[in-house]
Amino acid sequence: ETGVTQTPRHLVMGMTNKKSLKCEQHLGHNAMYWYKQSAKKPLELMFVYNFKEQTENNSVPSRFSPECPNSSHLFLHLHTLQPEDSALYLCASSQDRPGTGEKLFFGSGTQLSVL
Amino acid sequence: AQKVTQAQTEISVVEKEDVTLDCVYETRDTTYYLFWYKQPPSGELVFLIRRNSFDEQNEISGRYSWNFQKSTSSFNFTITASQVVDSAVYFCALSHPNQAGTALIFGKGTTLSVSS
Repeated sequence: ETGVTQTPRHLVMGMTNKKSLKCEQHLGHNAMYWYKQSAKKPLELMFVYNFKEQTENNSVPSRFSPECPNSSHLFLHLHTLQPEDSALYLCASSQDRPGTGEKLFFGSGTQLSVL
Repeated sequence: AQKVTQAQTEISVVEKEDVTLDCVYETRDTTYYLFWYKQPPSGELVFLIRRNSFDEQNEISGRYSWNFQKSTSSFNFTITASQVVDSAVYFCALSHPNQAGTALIFGKGTTLSVSS
């Protein structure tokens, strides 16, 4: 059982829908991350939270809205997405703060398809 | 600018062959960390190794070994006697302590297919 759990594993949504991705870590870590993985592209960092505070927003469109209510939970709220937003969305956590050689632990991801 | 290049997009080998995955990085910082992660078909990335820029000693862990050379800005990964279970996408990544809040920068990954 992984220490980082993501739900749902798969999601199909229309461009007018609103949905949320959920991530939970059971490792006692202080930092959490959202990455986007598209075909043929490097993993793209989207957001970073350290002790529930957002420390990095990597120029992500406003149709993606993160929420971190506590150090164990991270959400990604989605609305009015585009077909090009279809990708694997990966959540990760780390004990060390970002930028310190942190070792990331990843969830299995949510495969998102936008129709 | 910081960048990680994995020039090999896909590699196919037969079981028991040795295979080396290349990673070249770019950075202006003197302090940084390099990583390798494995992504099996299940999706989650699994940490394999972390090296800091002041430790060029090569490392061996079972069938895995890593060759870090600052002179060529490379951090290559070798799998000896490959097995079918090694089939996965492998990512090299770079982290900078001097850039507050900056998380890992990943290469595009190398897909390794090991056939029996």
